[in-house]
Amino acid sequence: TQLLEQSPQFLSIQEGENLTVYCNSSSVFSSLQWYRQEPGEGPVLLVTVVTGGEVKKLKRLTFQFGDARKDSSLHITAAQTGDTGLYLCARDSWGKLQFGAGTQVVVTP
Amino acid sequence: DAGVTQSPTHLIKTRGQQVTLRCSPKSGHDTVSWYQQALGQGPQFIFQYYEEEERQRGNFPDRFSGHQFPNYSSELNVNALLLGDSALYLCASRPSQTRTNYGYTFGSGTRLTVV
Repeated sequence: TQLLEQSPQFLSIQEGENLTVYCNSSSVFSSLQWYRQEPGEGPVLLVTVVTGGEVKKLKRLTFQFGDARKDSSLHITAAQTGDTGLYLCARDSWGKLQFGAGTQVVVTP
Repeated sequence: DAGVTQSPTHLIKTRGQQVTLRCSPKSGHDTVSWYQQALGQGPQFIFQYYEEEERQRGNFPDRFSGHQFPNYSSELNVNALLLGDSALYLCASRPSQTRTNYGYTFGSGTRLTVV
């Protein structure tokens, strides 16, 4: 059983549309990290959320950590083709990252 | 400032052979971790090295071994390759003296294909 469940597995949208991806668990986390991985590249850290209920914004990306610190979401406003990639959530367990399976996002012109 | 450098970028090996993958961490980073990423999956933790010692290990068999050198670079060795070892192998680094939720810097990976 995956510690972190990500949904949906795949999302295809047109440029200018909004999208939300989710990361859920039955466990409580002290923090959660979001990464984006483009084809042929390694994951790149986008943000770390720490406090329950926290909302962080990174340009058109909005990250939220659930009040109970068991879930998180990533919302992209007015998606661009450059947002295409695999979005991964991860928990840092004493230096060991435990990843979800990821959401593959494809933004078409 | 170079990030994490991995070599080679691609590799094709025959079942039963042995392979060595290499990683140079980002400047200033002394902790190196290795991950295996199968197609369509998230990365899976293999092990972590710090001060030339294996500090943590994931659920991988002993065929997977590693090494860290005094300059903090690292190698991942896989013996008796199986078809199922085909994957993207990622190296990640960060400074040891960090807060708990400090993110890792990843390399672009080595794509290993076992035939």
